[in-house]
Amino acid sequence: DAGVIQSPRHEVTEMGQEVTLRCKPISGHNSLFWYRQTMMRGLELLIYFNNNVPIDDSGMPEDRFSAKMPNASFSTLKIQPSEPRDSAVYFCASSFGTAPYEQYFGPGTRLTVT
Amino acid sequence: AQSVAQPEDQVNVAEGNPLTVKCTYSVSGNPYLFWYVQYPNRGLQFLLKYITGDNLVKGSYGFEAEFNKSQTSFHLKKPSALVSDSALYFCAVSTDKLIFGTGTRLQVFP
Repeated sequence: DAGVIQSPRHEVTEMGQEVTLRCKPISGHNSLFWYRQTMMRGLELLIYFNNNVPIDDSGMPEDRFSAKMPNASFSTLKIQPSEPRDSAVYFCASSFGTAPYEQYFGPGTRLTVT
Repeated sequence: AQSVAQPEDQVNVAEGNPLTVKCTYSVSGNPYLFWYVQYPNRGLQFLLKYITGDNLVKGSYGFEAEFNKSQTSFHLKKPSALVSDSALYFCAVSTDKLIFGTGTRLQVFP
């Protein structure tokens, strides 16, 4: 299996631009998670889906952030408009379900907003 | 509320010596506990988990963790550290989602 696939691996954009991050979970997994990692705040859960349905989006920082999962093999995280404080590494992870299943992480997307 | 604490930002150990990375948790009910490792510029990798049963859990790369209910701890251990074990280690507790600790950087010196 190819593991969780994320694209792009690196993204540099200017403040105010729209950014779309993409994720392909492991085939057969029915839960998908989006995380953000920064030095200041550590690893934060933004949102997670179960069977393509958003279950908990309480970690989404503000309305500029949105996430979709149109089918079992694809999810997007969109930031519009982007701001410099959004600069971080964004990870997607998938699992067979929620507790007690372990999550498998993608390589991450390093986002830099100038 | 569920939470997990990693009291050490960094742990330094000489190669060949035993290592311990500490983790304590707070959770109502029976905990599901995890350890993950993150190498530079990589995503987190699953090491091991405790669900129920034997308090000593064995995982990948020779790591093991000991669940202690009375001390609400789940410390990660390895009998003999390798330089290649140097990485960032995260403890996590699971309810419907994973709640991660702040991470402990392990540095193994030759």
